[in-house]
Amino acid sequence: AQTVTQSQPEMSVQEAETVTLSCTYDTSESDYYLFWYKQPPSRQMILVIRQEAYKQQNATENRFSVNFQKAAKSFSLKISDSQLGDAAMYFCAYRSATSNTGKLIFGQGTTLQVKP
Amino acid sequence: KAGVTQTPRYLIKTRGQQVTLSCSPISGHRSVSWYQQTPGQGLQFLFEYFSETQRNKGNFPGRFSGRQFSNSRSEMNVSTLELGDSALYLCASSLAVSLTSGYNEQFFGPGTRLTVL
Repeated sequence: AQTVTQSQPEMSVQEAETVTLSCTYDTSESDYYLFWYKQPPSRQMILVIRQEAYKQQNATENRFSVNFQKAAKSFSLKISDSQLGDAAMYFCAYRSATSNTGKLIFGQGTTLQVKP
Repeated sequence: KAGVTQTPRYLIKTRGQQVTLSCSPISGHRSVSWYQQTPGQGLQFLFEYFSETQRNKGNFPGRFSGRQFSNSRSEMNVSTLELGDSALYLCASSLAVSLTSGYNEQFFGPGTRLTVL
């Protein structure tokens, strides 16, 4: 069975600074997707960034980038130039790409506080 | 295009009652998944439906059930409610999920907050 672990329950960052959220996962599959989702106080889950396991290049979306280390099964999220609106709970998630399912396996989440 | 809608947004029930939650996916989306979010257990997968068929089911007791209609709207039902069923229930929809469809993003609804007293 696949598992996702986020070891940082809470993180804080100064506005305009950079912060990195950590995530590790375990799987025996070779093809899968990894995601970072943001859940603000409104509770609406928003996709931040996606990484396909077969791609060596790290995904980037504006101020958000990932460091994907497949061998180490590590998938961290870097937020550059942090903004007050980035304050939220962030979830790392795994999804198989080799089965007919969209089931997401989530980590426990990291609450990010952004200080003005 | 309207997003995923969930009704009701808030619900208060007492132990032993049953409850039905509804999820309307984005127009054209045929796949709907449900998740339970609690502070203690985090986000856990409940079930997944595609074209009215349950494709996958999480590790929840039989009190939790669901279905999908021909218009892709989905409902989940919890019978004999327990205090531990208090949670945020999220649904997510996507165009399709299959080995041949490639990647399709899943979009989440705002959730239904269920409180069991």
